[in-house]
Amino acid sequence: EVQLLESGGGLVQPGGSLRLSCVASGFTFSTYAMTWVRQAPGKGLEWVSTLSNSGDNTYYADSVKGRFTISRDNSKNTLYLQMNSLRAEDTALYYCAKDRMGGVWSAIDYWGQGTLVTVSS
Amino acid sequence: DIVMTQSPDSLAVSLGERATINCKSSQSILYSSNNENYLGWYQQKPGQPPKLLIYWASTRESGVPDRFSGSGSGTDFTLTISSLQAEDVAVYYCQQYYRSPPTFGQGTKLEIK
Repeated sequence: EVQLLESGGGLVQPGGSLRLSCVASGFTFSTYAMTWVRQAPGKGLEWVSTLSNSGDNTYYADSVKGRFTISRDNSKNTLYLQMNSLRAEDTALYYCAKDRMGGVWSAIDYWGQGTLVTVSS
Repeated sequence: DIVMTQSPDSLAVSLGERATINCKSSQSILYSSNNENYLGWYQQKPGQPPKLLIYWASTRESGVPDRFSGSGSGTDFTLTISSLQAEDVAVYYCQQYYRSPPTFGQGTKLEIK
């Protein structure tokens, strides 16, 4: 059974930093691209970032480019999202998600339960 | 960016009746080399993460009931629920993964009439 378990969310002041983690199990992690998607309270889905299976290729939404960094440790089956210079508009539930395929781009076939990030003073 | 526009924003359908949700992309998401439309449909129930229903515009994900079907090509797509069940109450999203950034529609809220 595929499982994606996010952690690292919380309350942070504007301008602060957080590092989200996502531990994956139930599939060969190194084979698949991985993605972060966020959902602001009561709003729709917004793609944040995707990382290829090898970690060589990264992609970011314009809204987070230069502030967020996606990475992975295939030896630990873990995906990360380093978030710096956080803004109020980054407040959202952040989902870790597995792409159907190894290369980019494909549909997302598994989602974690999400970790909540709140940016507020 | 490719803009995905869903219609309607909300929909109320009687149990057992057909529900139809439309999704339009601002440019074609049909990849000519493999003749695939790079479109997925997701269902999100309250308090839950999204769930993949359909990929390549019309391929049903494993375990998804066959009352769910996807159709369309190029820029116009449809998700159809042939006979609405109570457990289908949810918000439905389309997503294009043809080009970065992958973009979602704004969502369609499906309720029981």
